[in-house]
Amino acid sequence: DSGVTQTPKHLITATGQRVTLRCSPRSGDLSVYWYQQSLDQGLQFLIQYYNGEERAKGNILERFSAQQFPDLHSELNLSSLELGDSALYFCASSPRGGGNTGELFFGEGSRLTVL
Amino acid sequence: AQKITQTQPGMFVQEKEAVTLDCTYDTSDQSYGLFWYKQPSSGEMIFLIYQGSYDEQNATEGRYSLNFQKARKSANLVISASQLGDSAMYFCAMREWNTGNQFYFGTGTSLTVIP
Repeated sequence: DSGVTQTPKHLITATGQRVTLRCSPRSGDLSVYWYQQSLDQGLQFLIQYYNGEERAKGNILERFSAQQFPDLHSELNLSSLELGDSALYFCASSPRGGGNTGELFFGEGSRLTVL
Repeated sequence: AQKITQTQPGMFVQEKEAVTLDCTYDTSDQSYGLFWYKQPSSGEMIFLIYQGSYDEQNATEGRYSLNFQKARKSANLVISASQLGDSAMYFCAMREWNTGNQFYFGTGTSLTVIP
């Protein structure tokens, strides 16, 4: 158990709809990263937050948005969903300074299926 | 230029044999970390091993070792005595400590262990 919690684990919805994915980082971790992994693809970096502020933005579509709340949990909002948005969405957290080795701690992912 | 390059989309190895998964990286940061993650078919991302840019010795974790060649900017993962449970996707990643604390992932290598 990485200590990063993602909900929901599975989500099936229709095109045009909007969904919210939620992530609770490890206790004490200030950084939250979001990644998208489409079928048989690598990890695409979407966005990073640090202590409530956006730190870096990757290949995140305009239809997607995210935020990190004062309690450090984060939400990724996906709107006007398209079939191609079907993917595994990972949240990961990392402590400031990286802790011992600086690795990312990943949640189990939210698997989104758009029909 | 790609920050992390994994040139082997797929690899096969006989059970109990050793296998090397290649990874090269590109950075101008003097301080960075290199990571390997395993993603089994169940989807979770499992941290395997870490190598710091200032570490003089190659990292080892059980059957995993990281062959770190700094001058060549390579960080190959060596798995000894392969087991059937090693069949998975393997991702190499890098974290640059001085330039935005970003994580960069490679496209992954799919390893299949043959009985």
